[in-house]
Amino acid sequence: GDSVTQMEGPVTLSEEAFLTINCTYTATGYPSLFWYVQYPGEGLQLLLKATKADDKGSNKGFEATYRKETTSFHLEKGSVQVSDSAVYFCALSDLMTGANSKLTFGKGITLSVRP
Amino acid sequence: DSGVTQTPKHLITATGQRVTLRCSPRSGDLSVYWYQQSLDQGLQFLIQYYNGEERAKGNILERFSAQQFPDLHSELNLSSLELGDSALYFCASSLRRGGGPSTDTQYFGPGTRLTVL
Repeated sequence: GDSVTQMEGPVTLSEEAFLTINCTYTATGYPSLFWYVQYPGEGLQLLLKATKADDKGSNKGFEATYRKETTSFHLEKGSVQVSDSAVYFCALSDLMTGANSKLTFGKGITLSVRP
Repeated sequence: DSGVTQTPKHLITATGQRVTLRCSPRSGDLSVYWYQQSLDQGLQFLIQYYNGEERAKGNILERFSAQQFPDLHSELNLSSLELGDSALYFCASSLRRGGGPSTDTQYFGPGTRLTVL
């Protein structure tokens, strides 16, 4: 079945540091890939997505490129801020014709950014 | 604000009891998904409804059931509750009427935190 593997956490960085969070996936079809973020005490928010190979999703300075050859969707940001402290989830959706399919999530990784 | 609403925000109950969680999808979205987030299992898909019909099932216990009503809101019923059912339950919606470029994106509600004592 489909699965998503995220790097182990937590991750602690200083403000303005470079961020990489690794994500690899296993899927039987042609999935869409997502990064969701969960701020403390809140629900999940879509951060970015990519729907086909070599697509790059980007939002709020975060980027991730859909790499089919390495089955990866690593999240990067050039300069993190304290406000980026949150839990980040990589997810995939293996679309079926006519309607959406479920999201399969990684375990999530907690990012803490110190001033 | 995702446009998905969930009630109640918190729920505290005892083992053996039954509760109902409610979700209102974004206006026009036809699909509703339920997910459970717990410390040991992470985020797991429970069930999907599309325009009133069950579409997909995940790791949902037999003690749990759901339905989607004609106005597209959904309810998740949890019965014979056990301590291990304590978790955050999320609802998500997607697929606006008429399609569009983002029809595969799921938008999440704020969740209902269930505590079973």
